[in-house]
Parts: sequence; structure tokens; C-alpha cells
Amino acid sequence: AQKITQTQPGMFVQEKEAVTLDCTYDTSDQSYGLFWYKQPSSGEMIFLIYQGSYDEQNATEGRYSLNFQKARKSANLVISASQLGDSAMYFCAMREGFGNEKLTFGTGTRLTIIP
Amino acid sequence: DSGVTQTPKHLITATGQRVTLRCSPRSGDLSVYWYQQSLDQGLQFLIQYYNGEERAKGNILERFSAQQFPDLHSELNLSSLELGDSALYFCASSAPRGAGANVLTFGAGSRLTVL
Repeated sequence: AQKITQTQPGMFVQEKEAVTLDCTYDTSDQSYGLFWYKQPSSGEMIFLIYQGSYDEQNATEGRYSLNFQKARKSANLVISASQLGDSAMYFCAMREGFGNEKLTFGTGTRLTIIP
Repeated sequence: DSGVTQTPKHLITATGQRVTLRCSPRSGDLSVYWYQQSLDQGLQFLIQYYNGEERAKGNILERFSAQQFPDLHSELNLSSLELGDSALYFCASSAPRGAGANVLTFGAGSRLTVL
């Protein structure tokens, strides 16, 4: 079974609108972490936001917020007031268990912001 | 600049050849991770080193090997190259345990093309 599922291969959003990128995960561990990374066309991987499994509040970083629904095992990324520079691939990733540091990535969502 | 340095940025070689990819982690980071990103496999974890010791192993082929040196830089050796090894190879590093969310900071990647 896929550990991280991103069901939206591509999305087109009008500039200044909010966008939600979906991510569901599968783990039997109680301790885990969820991450979102952005990969622009230049290729580098840029860390956006992190949510720990024990964190009660949804994580926020500027225009990025993570809608964490533990019972549904979902960790959707919300980008408010989208900008042209937000056009990129977005990857959801998970770190499972205590002491395990590697990340497992989803297949990504290509977001295109339309002017 | 993420602080993780990868060389070379681009590499073109022929089938059957051997190449070495180099990575210098961020100052103070002890862990180094290698990931392969290809169109058909997505982002795949290859191997992790922590302070010179192998910590975790993923989908790394027997033709591939890696090591982390006393100065903490790491090298990924790819031998008997095949067309399917063409990919973007990322190195990432993370801070020592206890420093937060174990966020992986990625380098810009080394793009390998096997002809």
C-alpha cells in the first residue's frame, strides 16, 4: 500500500485564490511527522511546512497552512492568496516512528497559477 | 542557497560507466541522505548516513554504493550504469536529533544522463 497518496496530478488555480493540495497517509505508528516540499522548475526541493502527529494545532508558515485531520489520516496543504511564483510541484512526505529520520514522498501535485 | 552542496550539477555518461556524486551537508548537520528522482519511480530514498555510519538503507541497487567521510561529506558511487539510472540525484542533510522536526534540507541535485 502507498504510504503517501496525492490524488491530484495537476491543478490550475487563478492568481490570488486559495488552493488546497490533498495528501493522505498510511501508518500504524503513533509518532510520525508530515512534511510538504515545493519543487520549482529549477529542480531544488524547498521545505515548506511540518506537522507532528502529537501537535494539536495545525501548522502555519506565512501563506502556508497544513490542515491536519488525524482520524482521516489527511494532511492537506493550503496556500492562501496564490501567487505566480507558487507554480511548482508540491510533494507531501512522512517520517514514521521514533528514531527514523528518512522521509517517504508522495508522487506530487503540479500546481499552475494562472494570471 | 540551502547550504547543502552537490557536485556535479549535470553529468552525461555512457552505459557501463561509473560516476561519483559528491555532497557536502550543511554546517553542523551530521546526517546525509541520498534520494533518486526519476519520472517513473518518483522520489526514492536510497541511503542515509549519520556521522560516518550507515543508518538506513532504502531502494539502493547493488551497483550503487555510498559512504560518508570523517569531514561529513558523502559520495554516491554509481557503477555499470544503465539507461534507467538517468535521474536527478538529491543529497539532503538534517540537524542532529533533538534539534526539531528532523527537516531534511536538500541540495540542488545532480542530474545524471546515461546515453
